[in-house]
Amino acid sequence: AQKITQTQPGMFVQEKEAVTLDCTYDTSDQSYGLFWYKQPSSGEMIFLIYQGSYDEQNATEGRYSLNFQKARKSANLVISASQLGDSAMYFCAMREKGGSEKLVFGKGTKLTVNP
Amino acid sequence: KAGVTQTPRYLIKTRGQQVTLSCSPISGHRSVSWYQQTPGQGLQFLFEYFSETQRNKGNFPGRFSGRQFSNSRSEMNVSTLELGDSALYLCASSLAPGQGSVIYFGEGSWLTVV
Repeated sequence: AQKITQTQPGMFVQEKEAVTLDCTYDTSDQSYGLFWYKQPSSGEMIFLIYQGSYDEQNATEGRYSLNFQKARKSANLVISASQLGDSAMYFCAMREKGGSEKLVFGKGTKLTVNP
Repeated sequence: KAGVTQTPRYLIKTRGQQVTLSCSPISGHRSVSWYQQTPGQGLQFLFEYFSETQRNKGNFPGRFSGRQFSNSRSEMNVSTLELGDSALYLCASSLAPGQGSVIYFGEGSWLTVV
């Protein structure tokens, strides 16, 4: 079964610094998709970045980049120049195989940005 | 372009009642999925719909049901509510299954069962 592991329950970073949130995944499929979402306390799940397993380049979206290491089965999120508004829960997720749109989520990392 | 819209945002129900939650996907998106999020269990998949057909269902009791309409809008229903059903219910939409498209979520519906 597919599994997502986020080993950092909580992370702290100083404003304007970069931070890396870890995500490892387990799958036997060759084709899969990896997502990162941000969830503030309001509950909304905000899409940040997507990486397809066949994408040769690491995905980037503004201050977010995904450090995709396929052989190590890791998909770490890098947030550059942290802002106070980045304080939230961050979830790594994988789209299941077989044409399903079902996502398997990790337990999340709570990021706190300090001024 | 409007995002995924969920209504209501907040609701309080009494044990034994039933509840219906609504989800309008992003325009053009035809695949809709539902998730339950609780502090103890995290994010758990409920069901997935495409072209008014349920394609996938999570490990939830039959009290949880859903449907999708011809305009891709979706509803989920929970009957005979239990205290443990208190959760954030999230709806997600994407273009279609198997196309590798991005999956977007709505703001969620906070359900409290008392």
